[in-house]
Amino acid sequence: DAKTTQPPSMDCAEGRAANLPCNHSTISGNEYVYWYRQIHSQGPQYIIHGLKNNETNEMASLIITEDRKSSTLILPHATLRDTAVYYCIVRVAGNNDMRFGAGTRLTVKP
Amino acid sequence: GAGVSQTPSNKVTEKGKYVELRCDPISGHTALYWYRQSLGQGPEFLIYFQGTGAADDSGLPNDRFFAVRPEGSVSTLKIQRTERGDSAVYLCASTPRAGLGEQFFGPGTRLTVL
Repeated sequence: DAKTTQPPSMDCAEGRAANLPCNHSTISGNEYVYWYRQIHSQGPQYIIHGLKNNETNEMASLIITEDRKSSTLILPHATLRDTAVYYCIVRVAGNNDMRFGAGTRLTVKP
Repeated sequence: GAGVSQTPSNKVTEKGKYVELRCDPISGHTALYWYRQSLGQGPEFLIYFQGTGAADDSGLPNDRFFAVRPEGSVSTLKIQRTERGDSAVYLCASTPRAGLGEQFFGPGTRLTVL
């Protein structure tokens, strides 16, 4: 699976959009981009995933660049409860393990 | 409960002892995964089960670590002759079937080896 690069930490004001970047320049054509988050003392929680089209669900939006070398997770209206470590993972369809990096620690401030 | 459960939530043991960590996946989920998470790092894959068999145990660090899932539901991670370096949070996840779907994680077991 391709390697991902994320900033170690980010801050965001409550109520504003949080935009979390991820670089995956070595991604292959059959690899999906997954996002999970981990709130303190809990297990990781699935957020969203995509292949090449932008995706949106009730939690977030995922924007993938046309060349697929990077993506951005958008939390449209961040709340204090969104404070967590956010992991970007690139995964081949059918692979059963996920390779987590260190993630981005997002702190939402009042 | 509807989610993945893990017991115990915390385990403190002494170096050299044997420990067992239990995972109850979501009912009906055929695939089960174990991960280990050290402080300040992301989860690290250990082993994956499809049904009763270990389909991929490439992440187990050495032969002191072993996992079973005899009836295709509950799984137990077993660690022999524990070392201080085994201290970590051990996470379990399950999916309805192997492959692409999202993994549902339990809250983890925090293991401390003194």
